[in-house]
Amino acid sequence: EAQVTQNPRYLITVTGKKLTVTCSQNMNHEYMSWYRQDPGLGLRQIYYSMNVEVTDKGDVPEGYKVSRKEKRNFPLILESPSPNQTSLYFCASRIYRGTEAFFGQGTRLTVV
Amino acid sequence: EDQVTQSPEALRLQEGESSSLNCSYTVSGLRGLFWYRQDPGKGPEFLFTLYSAGEEKEKERLKATLTKKESFLHITAPKPEDSATYLCAVQADNNNDMRFGAGTRLTVKP
Repeated sequence: EAQVTQNPRYLITVTGKKLTVTCSQNMNHEYMSWYRQDPGLGLRQIYYSMNVEVTDKGDVPEGYKVSRKEKRNFPLILESPSPNQTSLYFCASRIYRGTEAFFGQGTRLTVV
Repeated sequence: EDQVTQSPEALRLQEGESSSLNCSYTVSGLRGLFWYRQDPGKGPEFLFTLYSAGEEKEKERLKATLTKKESFLHITAPKPEDSATYLCAVQADNNNDMRFGAGTRLTVKP
């Protein structure tokens, strides 16, 4: 089954404790991206990757890092999480830019 | 800068009561306009892509239309299972990703 898989689904952590949210897709898509979703603000892009070893900032990249060492994986790293990063996070993949996106199930992150 | 505005923010309908959701956009060079459905606690699910003014697409009770400034998602005789948040997004020619609207939360009462 074609899918985008994120882990974990839920995470509660403390300020400053490094964490990684994993994302994997099995569709051989070139393009992957990370979004955060906050009430009233919609989906905002954090980082995207157009291919292996090619990543770039989206609209809200501060406090986040990404890497794309393999085509299928695109982890999101929070080196020193802060409470304002409490949000619902989605990973998505696309065949290439301009096509429809397939989203993961989401990761609800709470930073206390 | 690309902008997407969806209205209304929330819409409550009775089962069978048809209506439309609006997505107004400003973009320099539209590559595509996307509609997604999002159920609570889940990732958005793709519905339609529209590429040029005048284009229409249908799926069951949903029909999406596109003009040069806005898109409508028409819902005909909705059922309770159509309750969800509907997201609109635009992809510009000179942009690497979609820009999303804040969504319309649709509730259909039986």
